[in-house]
Amino acid sequence: RKEVEQDPGPFNVPEGATVAFNCTYSNSASQSFFWYRQDCRKEPKLLMSVYSSGNEDGRFTAQLNRASQYISLLIRDSKLSDSATYLCVVISQGGGSYIPTFGRGTSLIVHP
Amino acid sequence: GAGVSQSPSNKVTEKGKDVELRCDPISGHTALYWYRQRLGQGLEFLIYFQGNSAPDKSGLPSDRFSAERTGESVSTLTIQRTQQEDSAVYLCASSANAGLNSPLHFGNGTRLTVT
Repeated sequence: RKEVEQDPGPFNVPEGATVAFNCTYSNSASQSFFWYRQDCRKEPKLLMSVYSSGNEDGRFTAQLNRASQYISLLIRDSKLSDSATYLCVVISQGGGSYIPTFGRGTSLIVHP
Repeated sequence: GAGVSQSPSNKVTEKGKDVELRCDPISGHTALYWYRQRLGQGLEFLIYFQGNSAPDKSGLPSDRFSAERTGESVSTLTIQRTQQEDSAVYLCASSANAGLNSPLHFGNGTRLTVT
């Protein structure tokens, strides 16, 4: 089982739609979580951290479910510019090291 | 302020040659990470540095790969005797420290093509 798993998609949605992605992780000791966005042939960019109580940044809402070991990203009122690949990142401590592990990403296509 | 800088942005090399990739992290960031991303694939962890030390080298694919960091700043990733399967984008990232709540900030990557 991979450490961090995401549905690769693509999720194909019209402008204005609400879309949600999940990301599951296998290490129950994982402690920090982030969502990144990666545009085609570009580097990943931090979208938002994921806090235990859930957090919102404009149209984006991130949530953490420790019991079921998944994080989610909700995008409301989708824009064309939201089209990208969304990567979840999990940081776990192991042997004194903190290695951020990336999921393979979920592709989102927002169409007119 | 200045972000993470990587050079070269593109590198084409012949199979069997050595290549050196450079990363300049954000000033003051103590942690530095190297990842590899093959076309259409996810990010594959290679190595990370805390200061000038590399606590975890488990991701290096073979002994042809090595990395060093000096002055708690610049890092170089060296690939010896390159093979075609080494073709990928090599991404460097830095964070304020190698801790649980320090997000990574990426450079633009070096696109390596081995012919």
